[in-house]
Amino acid sequence: KQEVTQIPAALSVPEGENLVLNCSFTDSAIYNLQWFRQDPGKGLTSLLLIQSSQREQTSGRLNASLDKSSGRSTLYIAASQPGDSATYLCAVSLMEYGNKLVFGAGTILRVKS
Amino acid sequence: EAGVVQSPRYKIIEKKQPVAFWCNPISGHNTLYWYLQNLGQGPELLIRYENEEAVDDSQLPKDRFSAERLKGVDSTLKIQPAELGDSAVYLCASSLGAASNEQYFGPGTRLTVT
Repeated sequence: KQEVTQIPAALSVPEGENLVLNCSFTDSAIYNLQWFRQDPGKGLTSLLLIQSSQREQTSGRLNASLDKSSGRSTLYIAASQPGDSATYLCAVSLMEYGNKLVFGAGTILRVKS
Repeated sequence: EAGVVQSPRYKIIEKKQPVAFWCNPISGHNTLYWYLQNLGQGPELLIRYENEEAVDDSQLPKDRFSAERLKGVDSTLKIQPAELGDSAVYLCASSLGAASNEQYFGPGTRLTVT
């Protein structure tokens, strides 16, 4: 059974700091990995999607890497801002079950001004 | 382009009452998903539709939950009767359908069962 773990569970940093969120998964048979952002009381917003054949994706201040063989992904946020405060979720898409996403519990990020 | 639409956004009901949630996916997306998200956890898949066919409902508690996607567009998720433990956020998502495609989520329906 695929399990996804995110570390740390919560993170508080001062504005301007660069930070890394970690995601690990137990089964490397994935189609892709997605990083999402969730604001309180809201749905999920997709940030980056990395196909299983890719190593990384970048969007603005965000960079996500994927090491499928070791079952790890990181989300790097450069020059953090208070507006980045949210919960960040990673999810893997399972090959065996079509496009079923298995999520981690998320990292709650607070960026202090 | 409009995103995934869900209604209602919030629902409060007493236990043993029925409740229904509605989802309208992004136009042209033939794959639709319903997820359940408990507080402090990531979403978990309840059911996946390819057009009007439910292709993965293994996680749907069929004794009280049901879903339908008539005509392969809008979908309704129903709970009857609701239990206290059903209090959660119910998220709908859609994708173009190919296994590697990105899923787009709606804002969710927050259900509180008292």
